[in-house]
Amino acid sequence: GAGVSQTPSNKVTEKGKYVELRCDPISGHTALYWYRQSLGQGPEFLIYFQGTGAADDSGLPNDRFFAVRPEGSVSTLKIQRTERGDSAVYLCASSFGTSGGSQFFGPGTRLTVL
Amino acid sequence: DAKTTQPNSMESNEEEPVHLPCNHSTISGTDYIHWYRQLPSQGPEYVIHGLTSNVNNRMASLAIAEDRKSSTLILHRATLRDAAVYYCILRVPGGDKIIFGKGTRLHILP
Repeated sequence: GAGVSQTPSNKVTEKGKYVELRCDPISGHTALYWYRQSLGQGPEFLIYFQGTGAADDSGLPNDRFFAVRPEGSVSTLKIQRTERGDSAVYLCASSFGTSGGSQFFGPGTRLTVL
Repeated sequence: DAKTTQPNSMESNEEEPVHLPCNHSTISGTDYIHWYRQLPSQGPEYVIHGLTSNVNNRMASLAIAEDRKSSTLILHRATLRDAAVYYCILRVPGGDKIIFGKGTRLHILP
């Protein structure tokens, strides 16, 4: 079956612009996670959803970052007034529940802020 | 969260076994030991996990020390496709987010 998909695969934007990154989880997975990965580092947790609600958004760096999952499936990560420091690979993962089971990751969206 | 310590990088020859170590001296009694790996230009993928007993699956084996303060991921016969960053992670039962460290970058020599 299809894995986690993310679009776009690459996004180049200018400082100060608004961007949206999309994640399509594996069908039937109730939990969805967003991570951010800078060069040479491991992924860093941002936020996770159980169904439609954000269960833990403690990793969002500031209020320029926001994520939604209105129907409990597709999620969008939104970044306002982008800064050069936001440049990273944004990874999405999904899992069947949040029982500590394995998470399935998408290929990521590489965001470059010029 | 309890932390793990891994070597920054390792090398191995193709078709030989690889032992990737992980120290987790502050592990609690309920923490599971998970391993993920990240191939170049891909998201991380689950490899294996265990609690106390050694575990085997089609990808790898996990050997857990008796005191659980360390573990070793074993790739029985490395191929070039196993070149990746390997992350050792502790997760509580019912845990949600994964806290990644820097992992071990494994280089496979042909």
